[in-house]
Amino acid sequence: DAKTTQPNSMESNEEEPVHLPCNHSTISGTDYIHWYRQLPSQGPEYVIHGLTSNVNNRMASLAIAEDRKSSTLILHRATLRDAAVYYCILRDVTGGFKTIFGAGTRLFVKA
Amino acid sequence: ETGVTQTPRHLVMGMTNKKSLKCEQHLGHNAMYWYKQSAKKPLELMFVYSLEERVENNSVPSRFSPECPNSSHLFLHLHTLQPEDSALYLCASSQDGVLDRSSGNTIYFGEGSWLTVV
Repeated sequence: DAKTTQPNSMESNEEEPVHLPCNHSTISGTDYIHWYRQLPSQGPEYVIHGLTSNVNNRMASLAIAEDRKSSTLILHRATLRDAAVYYCILRDVTGGFKTIFGAGTRLFVKA
Repeated sequence: ETGVTQTPRHLVMGMTNKKSLKCEQHLGHNAMYWYKQSAKKPLELMFVYSLEERVENNSVPSRFSPECPNSSHLFLHLHTLQPEDSALYLCASSQDGVLDRSSGNTIYFGEGSWLTVV
């Protein structure tokens, strides 16, 4: 079973910030938090990852709660091209290779 | 271009056919995966190979048969499939076992093979 829970869908207006939440209350110390997104008819693509500290890259920002039991992916200015399914997953790279995806959050962006 | 290439991109096969999906990764990774994505369903992990040995098999029907001849190539052999097996089949790779802090051991996906069983 997936170790993360996300809202099924969210909606945003173009050019506005979007905050996509993820709960991972059973996270372990060796789990990295990863976010991927899947555009229509494509495979998932990497967005961002983090362990404890907040992270920024050219695509997004990742805010991680102090207890690491939740995180938020932040798209600073949503565009129509950001409409996709966003997946939050945990990657334990020390103990195995099993990576389970949940249903993700489908983001709708309105013009 | 993610470094993971899947062929064919589209495949239509009859229920009595035998076909194969191919995946190749150019990233030097040591783990490769097959996922299945049916319409409006989450990604389902089918098989995981690490260092060419199968480490995970999530009770997939025997009509799906994986093969990993080396760390760069992964096949999914298909035979006597059912219409409900029609889906997007995704291959992925990652470098696992040793922590890479800069990448967090990111998984890289191919663009997928769309399979239709008629």
